[in-house]
Amino acid sequence: EAQVTQNPRYLITVTGKKLTVTCSQNMNHEYMSWYRQDPGLGLRQIYYSMNVEVTDKGDVPEGYKVSRKEKRNFPLILESPSPNQTSLYFCASSVSGNRGFSSTDTQYFGPGTRLTVL
Amino acid sequence: QQQVKQSPQSLIVQKGGISIINCAYENTAFDYFPWYQQFPGKGPALLIAIRPDVSEKKEGRFTISFNKSAKQFSLHIMDSQPGDSATYFCAARAGNQFYFGTGTSLTVIP
Repeated sequence: EAQVTQNPRYLITVTGKKLTVTCSQNMNHEYMSWYRQDPGLGLRQIYYSMNVEVTDKGDVPEGYKVSRKEKRNFPLILESPSPNQTSLYFCASSVSGNRGFSSTDTQYFGPGTRLTVL
Repeated sequence: QQQVKQSPQSLIVQKGGISIINCAYENTAFDYFPWYQQFPGKGPALLIAIRPDVSEKKEGRFTISFNKSAKQFSLHIMDSQPGDSATYFCAARAGNQFYFGTGTSLTVIP
Protein backbone atom coordinates (compact mmCIF):
# COMPACT_ATOMS: atom_id res chain seq x y z
CA GLU A 1 0.00 0.00 0.00
CA ALA A 2 1.33 3.39 -1.04
CA GLN A 3 1.70 5.48 2.07
CA VAL A 4 3.62 7.96 4.17
CA THR A 5 4.38 6.75 7.67
CA GLN A 6 5.43 8.77 10.69
CA ASN A 7 6.75 7.68 14.04
CA PRO A 8 5.97 8.19 16.77
CA ARG A 9 2.34 9.19 16.46
CA TYR A 10 2.29 10.76 19.90
CA LEU A 11 5.18 12.12 21.92
CA ILE A 12 5.41 13.97 25.21
CA THR A 13 8.83 15.29 26.09
CA VAL A 14 10.53 17.96 28.16
CA THR A 15 12.24 21.17 27.16
CA GLY A 16 15.73 20.66 25.80
CA LYS A 17 15.59 16.90 25.23
CA LYS A 18 16.59 16.18 21.64
CA LEU A 19 14.09 14.21 19.63
CA THR A 20 13.61 12.87 16.11
CA VAL A 21 10.36 12.25 14.30
CA THR A 22 10.78 9.82 11.44
CA CYS A 23 9.03 9.97 8.10
CA SER A 24 9.14 7.35 5.40
CA GLN A 25 7.39 7.00 2.03
CA ASN A 26 7.23 3.93 -0.21
CA MET A 27 6.21 5.70 -3.44
CA ASN A 28 9.68 6.64 -4.70
CA HIS A 29 8.75 10.31 -4.43
CA GLU A 30 11.38 12.98 -4.92
CA TYR A 31 9.74 15.74 -2.92
CA MET A 32 9.21 15.48 0.82
CA SER A 33 8.16 18.12 3.30
CA TRP A 34 7.37 18.76 6.92
CA TYR A 35 4.49 20.89 8.16
CA ARG A 36 3.19 21.90 11.53
CA GLN A 37 -0.49 22.45 12.16
CA ASP A 38 -1.65 24.82 14.85
CA PRO A 39 -5.20 26.01 15.63
CA GLY A 40 -6.01 29.20 13.81
CA LEU A 41 -2.79 29.10 11.79
CA GLY A 42 -3.43 26.23 9.42
CA LEU A 43 -0.46 24.27 8.13
CA ARG A 44 2.90 25.92 7.89
CA GLN A 45 5.82 24.45 6.00
CA ILE A 46 8.94 23.83 8.07
CA TYR A 47 11.41 22.29 5.62
CA TYR A 48 11.24 20.56 2.29
CA SER A 49 13.49 18.41 0.18
CA MET A 50 13.57 18.17 -3.60
CA ASN A 51 15.67 15.02 -3.57
CA VAL A 52 18.43 13.19 -1.71
CA GLU A 53 20.86 15.60 -0.05
CA VAL A 54 18.77 18.61 -1.20
CA THR A 55 16.88 20.38 1.58
CA ASP A 56 15.61 23.91 2.01
CA LYS A 57 13.83 26.04 4.55
CA GLY A 58 10.11 26.55 4.48
CA ASP A 59 8.18 29.27 6.22
CA VAL A 60 8.96 28.33 9.84
CA PRO A 61 12.32 26.52 10.02
CA GLU A 62 13.60 27.95 13.31
CA GLY A 63 14.36 25.29 15.89
CA TYR A 64 14.21 22.40 13.44
CA LYS A 65 16.67 20.38 11.39
CA VAL A 66 16.15 17.81 8.67
CA SER A 67 18.25 15.44 6.64
CA ARG A 68 17.67 13.49 3.44
CA LYS A 69 20.23 10.75 3.15
CA GLU A 70 17.89 8.29 1.44
CA LYS A 71 15.06 8.98 -0.96
CA ARG A 72 12.42 7.32 1.20
CA ASN A 73 13.28 8.90 4.56
CA PHE A 74 13.06 12.48 5.77
CA PRO A 75 13.47 12.76 9.56
CA LEU A 76 12.62 15.92 11.49
CA ILE A 77 15.02 16.73 14.30
CA LEU A 78 14.40 19.02 17.23
CA GLU A 79 17.78 19.57 18.86
CA SER A 80 16.44 21.46 21.87
CA PRO A 81 12.64 21.40 21.89
CA SER A 82 10.74 24.24 23.51
CA PRO A 83 7.07 24.51 24.52
CA ASN A 84 6.28 26.67 21.48
CA GLN A 85 7.07 23.64 19.33
CA THR A 86 4.10 21.81 20.81
CA SER A 87 2.08 21.07 17.70
CA LEU A 88 0.71 18.51 15.28
CA TYR A 89 3.34 17.63 12.69
CA PHE A 90 2.74 16.21 9.24
CA CYS A 91 5.16 14.78 6.75
CA ALA A 92 4.17 14.79 3.09
CA SER A 93 5.60 13.60 -0.19
CA SER A 94 4.91 14.05 -3.87
CA VAL A 95 6.41 12.81 -7.11
CA SER A 96 7.98 16.17 -7.74
CA GLY A 97 7.83 19.58 -6.17
CA ASN A 98 7.15 21.66 -9.23
CA ARG A 99 6.84 19.50 -12.31
CA GLY A 100 3.56 19.72 -14.18
CA PHE A 101 0.08 20.58 -12.92
CA SER A 102 -1.55 17.18 -12.74
CA SER A 103 -1.51 14.27 -10.37
CA THR A 104 2.24 14.53 -10.04
CA ASP A 105 1.68 17.51 -7.80
CA THR A 106 -0.45 15.65 -5.31
CA GLN A 107 1.08 15.76 -1.88
CA TYR A 108 0.38 12.67 0.18
CA PHE A 109 0.31 13.35 3.89
CA GLY A 110 1.24 11.06 6.73
CA PRO A 111 -1.07 10.46 9.70
CA GLY A 112 0.55 13.10 11.87
CA THR A 113 2.64 13.22 15.03
CA ARG A 114 1.24 15.04 18.02
CA LEU A 115 4.12 16.51 19.99
CA THR A 116 3.85 18.04 23.42
CA VAL A 117 6.88 19.79 24.92
CA LEU A 118 6.59 20.44 28.64
CA GLN B 1 1.96 37.04 7.80
CA GLN B 2 -0.64 34.76 6.29
CA GLN B 3 0.03 34.52 2.56
CA VAL B 4 -3.27 32.82 1.85
CA LYS B 5 -6.31 34.23 3.67
CA GLN B 6 -9.21 31.82 4.10
CA SER B 7 -12.79 32.41 5.20
CA PRO B 8 -15.02 31.58 6.89
CA GLN B 9 -13.38 29.91 9.86
CA SER B 10 -16.42 27.67 10.30
CA LEU B 11 -19.47 26.88 8.25
CA ILE B 12 -22.70 25.04 8.97
CA VAL B 13 -24.78 23.91 6.01
CA GLN B 14 -27.94 21.84 5.69
CA LYS B 15 -27.75 18.57 3.81
CA GLY B 16 -28.27 19.22 0.13
CA GLY B 17 -27.10 22.83 0.38
CA ILE B 18 -24.12 24.52 -1.19
CA SER B 19 -20.96 25.08 0.86
CA ILE B 20 -18.69 27.92 -0.24
CA ILE B 21 -15.22 28.57 1.13
CA ASN B 22 -13.17 31.53 -0.03
CA CYS B 23 -9.46 32.21 -0.25
CA ALA B 24 -7.46 35.27 -1.26
CA TYR B 25 -3.79 35.88 -1.94
CA GLU B 26 -1.40 38.63 -2.97
CA ASN B 27 1.68 36.78 -4.22
CA THR B 28 1.55 36.70 -8.02
CA ALA B 29 4.25 34.00 -8.03
CA PHE B 30 1.68 31.41 -6.93
CA ASP B 31 1.17 28.95 -9.78
CA TYR B 32 -0.87 26.11 -8.34
CA PHE B 33 -3.85 26.16 -5.99
CA PRO B 34 -4.89 22.91 -4.31
CA TRP B 35 -7.66 22.30 -1.81
CA TYR B 36 -7.24 19.73 0.92
CA GLN B 37 -9.81 17.92 3.03
CA GLN B 38 -8.93 16.77 6.51
CA PHE B 39 -10.95 14.48 8.76
CA PRO B 40 -10.30 14.37 12.53
CA GLY B 41 -7.21 12.36 13.36
CA LYS B 42 -6.08 12.13 9.74
CA GLY B 43 -3.65 13.93 7.52
CA PRO B 44 -4.94 16.30 4.84
CA ALA B 45 -5.84 14.72 1.50
CA LEU B 46 -5.92 16.47 -1.86
CA LEU B 47 -9.48 17.18 -2.94
CA ILE B 48 -9.12 19.23 -6.11
CA ALA B 49 -6.59 21.64 -7.58
CA ILE B 50 -6.46 24.36 -10.21
CA ARG B 51 -3.86 26.28 -12.17
CA PRO B 52 -4.16 30.06 -12.63
CA ASP B 53 -4.85 29.95 -16.38
CA VAL B 54 -8.17 28.18 -15.74
CA SER B 55 -11.21 29.97 -14.30
CA GLU B 56 -13.10 26.93 -13.10
CA LYS B 57 -12.51 23.25 -12.44
CA LYS B 58 -15.17 20.76 -11.52
CA GLU B 59 -14.80 17.26 -10.13
CA GLY B 60 -18.07 15.67 -9.12
CA ARG B 61 -19.75 17.83 -6.50
CA PHE B 62 -16.62 19.92 -5.94
CA THR B 63 -15.83 23.02 -7.99
CA ILE B 64 -13.01 25.52 -7.76
CA SER B 65 -13.70 29.00 -9.08
CA PHE B 66 -10.60 31.08 -9.77
CA ASN B 67 -10.46 34.84 -10.32
CA LYS B 68 -6.92 35.74 -11.28
CA SER B 69 -7.48 39.50 -11.48
CA ALA B 70 -9.01 39.60 -8.01
CA LYS B 71 -6.48 37.11 -6.66
CA GLN B 72 -9.27 35.03 -5.18
CA PHE B 73 -10.37 31.45 -5.45
CA SER B 74 -13.15 29.49 -3.86
CA LEU B 75 -14.35 25.96 -3.28
CA HIS B 76 -17.99 25.14 -3.89
CA ILE B 77 -19.44 21.90 -2.59
CA MET B 78 -22.75 21.16 -4.23
CA ASP B 79 -25.40 18.96 -2.63
CA SER B 80 -23.41 18.93 0.62
CA GLN B 81 -23.59 15.67 2.56
CA PRO B 82 -22.93 14.85 6.23
CA GLY B 83 -19.89 12.88 5.05
CA ASP B 84 -18.42 16.15 3.77
CA SER B 85 -18.11 17.38 7.37
CA ALA B 86 -14.39 18.02 7.70
CA THR B 87 -11.83 20.79 7.76
CA TYR B 88 -10.92 22.26 4.40
CA PHE B 89 -7.68 24.04 3.59
CA CYS B 90 -6.86 26.07 0.54
CA ALA B 91 -3.22 26.30 -0.43
CA ALA B 92 -0.95 27.92 -2.96
CA ARG B 93 2.46 27.03 -4.32
CA ALA B 94 5.32 29.34 -5.23
CA GLY B 95 8.38 27.52 -6.54
CA ASN B 96 8.89 24.59 -4.23
CA GLN B 97 7.04 26.03 -1.24
CA PHE B 98 3.45 25.64 -0.20
CA TYR B 99 1.36 28.09 1.78
CA PHE B 100 -1.87 27.05 3.42
CA GLY B 101 -4.93 28.94 4.55
CA THR B 102 -6.04 28.74 8.16
CA GLY B 103 -8.77 26.19 7.46
CA THR B 104 -12.56 26.05 7.45
CA SER B 105 -14.45 23.63 9.65
CA LEU B 106 -17.50 22.49 7.70
CA THR B 107 -20.43 20.83 9.41
CA VAL B 108 -23.24 19.47 7.27
CA ILE B 109 -26.42 18.96 9.24
CA PRO B 110 -28.62 16.01 8.18
